[in-house]
Amino acid sequence: NFMLTQPHSVSESPGKTVTISCTRSSGSIASNYVQWYQQRPGSSPTTVIYEDNQRPSGVPDRFSGSIDSSSNSASLTISGLQTEDEADYYCQSSDGVNHRRVFGGGTRLTVL
Amino acid sequence: EEQLVESGGGLVQPGRSLKLSCAASGFTFDNHGMHWVRQAPGKGLEWVSGISWNSGRIAYADSVKGRFTISRDNAKNSLYLQMNSLRTEDMALYYCTKVTHDYGGYFESWGQGTLVTVSS
Repeated sequence: NFMLTQPHSVSESPGKTVTISCTRSSGSIASNYVQWYQQRPGSSPTTVIYEDNQRPSGVPDRFSGSIDSSSNSASLTISGLQTEDEADYYCQSSDGVNHRRVFGGGTRLTVL
Repeated sequence: EEQLVESGGGLVQPGRSLKLSCAASGFTFDNHGMHWVRQAPGKGLEWVSGISWNSGRIAYADSVKGRFTISRDNAKNSLYLQMNSLRTEDMALYYCTKVTHDYGGYFESWGQGTLVTVSS
């Protein structure tokens, strides 16, 4: 089993760009797709990035995802920050061996 | 419109059992894998269990293996989670989720969750 580690919190000003990292503890980050979910207070999560860098329809192109094999991590980048982006963000991947899913601990984004 | 509606949560004493249900509508239920994800109060998301479209593939988190059983009834468009020997650490909001493929893929749709409280 592996773990996904995220920073507990990040903050940035409206209009700026923020990047949230997600580091895989063992095994290659490239071996299983990474997803990113947004959870606003009191709401169920929604997908903002799937399969490392794909956006579901309806998600603005201000959201982008990438993976970096050298640091064994995935990143979610949000540009042109808006107050509505303030939420918790979770990365998620799969353990292909035992068919389990793994979530990162979540990152609280504050747009101030 | 796709909809997932969980039910069955409530207050239960440690060591007792509870069965959660999830009613699905708005999509072809037996084309998709289904999973349960939980969130303890003020905490992050934790994957609990998943089941493939035909129940041929099932997996559990270590924290619930041997105590929880996932099942589905495609004729009733329903997903279930039988939870036995409940512990205080099982207290959480339990979400029913639909994945894009027969077991794999990402969590495409989420219900609103049903709250399980474990307390004496």
